[in-house]
Amino acid sequence: RKEVEQDPGPFNVPEGATVAFNCTYSNSASQSFFWYRQDCRKEPKLLMSVYSSGNEDGRFTAQLNRASQYISLLIRDSKLSDSATYLCVVNPNTNAGKSTFGDGTTLTVKP
Amino acid sequence: DGGITQSPKYLFRKEGQNVTLSCEQNLNHDAMYWYRQDPGQGLRLIYYSQIVNDFQKGDIAEGYSVSREKKESFPLTVTSAQKNPTAFYLCASSSVRGADSGANVLTFGAGSRLTVL
Repeated sequence: RKEVEQDPGPFNVPEGATVAFNCTYSNSASQSFFWYRQDCRKEPKLLMSVYSSGNEDGRFTAQLNRASQYISLLIRDSKLSDSATYLCVVNPNTNAGKSTFGDGTTLTVKP
Repeated sequence: DGGITQSPKYLFRKEGQNVTLSCEQNLNHDAMYWYRQDPGQGLRLIYYSQIVNDFQKGDIAEGYSVSREKKESFPLTVTSAQKNPTAFYLCASSSVRGADSGANVLTFGAGSRLTVL
């Protein structure tokens, strides 16, 4: 079993749809969590950190469920420009060198 | 603008050759990392360094070597011992200072795409 697992998709949704991705992790001692966005053939870029209380940034909402060991990303009112691969990242401590990446979930938003 | 510069962007290598990928950052970050990404997969850690003149192996260090002689620079050499080097290589950095999760945030370079002929 992988340390961080994501549904690879692809998720194909129409513009304006709401879509949610989940990511499960196996290390119960994990302390910090992130969602990165990666466009085709580009580098990953931080989308948002995930806090215990949940957090929102515009159309994006991230939540953490420590008891069930998963994090989620909700995208509301999808735009064409949201099409990308979304990577879940989990750290066991404050050392980013121990970051574990999921394989990513691919989202395609269609007109 | 602060950031991470990787070069070359594209590189072709013949079997049996060593190649070196450059990574330079001007973010004043203490830690630097090298990742490998294969199609449809996540990133796997090759090596990382938290301070100058020190580095640690990641999950897939075999066939690779690094050096950290300057804070700004962390070159990666892909040696002939690496049996399947064709991949997308990403360099990243982060600040290790600070107690909050901001110290875990990785900033990536644009990547180097290596193809073995």
